[in-house]
Amino acid sequence: DTEVTQTPKHLVMGMTNKKSLKCEQHMGHRAMYWYKQKAKKPPELMFVYSYEKLSINESVPSRFSPECPNSSLLNLHLHALQPEDSALYLCASSQPRTSGGKGYNEQFFGPGTRLTVL
Amino acid sequence: AQSVAQPEDQVNVAEGNPLTVKCTYSVSGNPYLFWYVQYPNRGLQFLLKYITGDNLVKGSYGFEAEFNKSQTSFHLKKPSALVSDSALYFCAVRPHNFNKFYFGSGTKLNVKP
Repeated sequence: DTEVTQTPKHLVMGMTNKKSLKCEQHMGHRAMYWYKQKAKKPPELMFVYSYEKLSINESVPSRFSPECPNSSLLNLHLHALQPEDSALYLCASSQPRTSGGKGYNEQFFGPGTRLTVL
Repeated sequence: AQSVAQPEDQVNVAEGNPLTVKCTYSVSGNPYLFWYVQYPNRGLQFLLKYITGDNLVKGSYGFEAEFNKSQTSFHLKKPSALVSDSALYFCAVRPHNFNKFYFGSGTKLNVKP
């Protein structure tokens, strides 16, 4: 299985709602990522989990809260979002860098969740 | 600072002609280099990567890329373009000692019949 799945595909929420995005992979990858992508722009890194621990947080506002319950799952909890947070949210996974400096595998991306904040 | 540049926002080519999508980078050390393609409303799909070895790398769907260390470039090429190659292409770089990928701004490839 070389697939990263994301649910839901589309999400519309108000600024006071609480929702969660889910990501799952069964490739045995131990690094998982959340990206935000605006139309026709490159993905912007939000968070990186390596071996289920948060390793990179790109100064993302606290209204976005990531969670990695186990090595296959990654969640992004959303609360009190703003209209400018509307975007395609992409999850990806890869083998992480090992202590020996290896682990250079490519990222596998999910299809994304199209989020609209009203 | 680490950066990846894709100098062309858009590349237009006729079907059957060769195509090149350019990428240059400024990353410390010997980074790992990648190309991804994105179709509308889809995630990114991996095309190819350069880690070490032969400077010409072959990937999916007939694409290849040439690594040039002196020019810090990793241009994507295909000998004969197809209309179905029309999409958004991203170059990405990962430092060898850091688990973060840096993406270029993307190049929209238009292949006309």
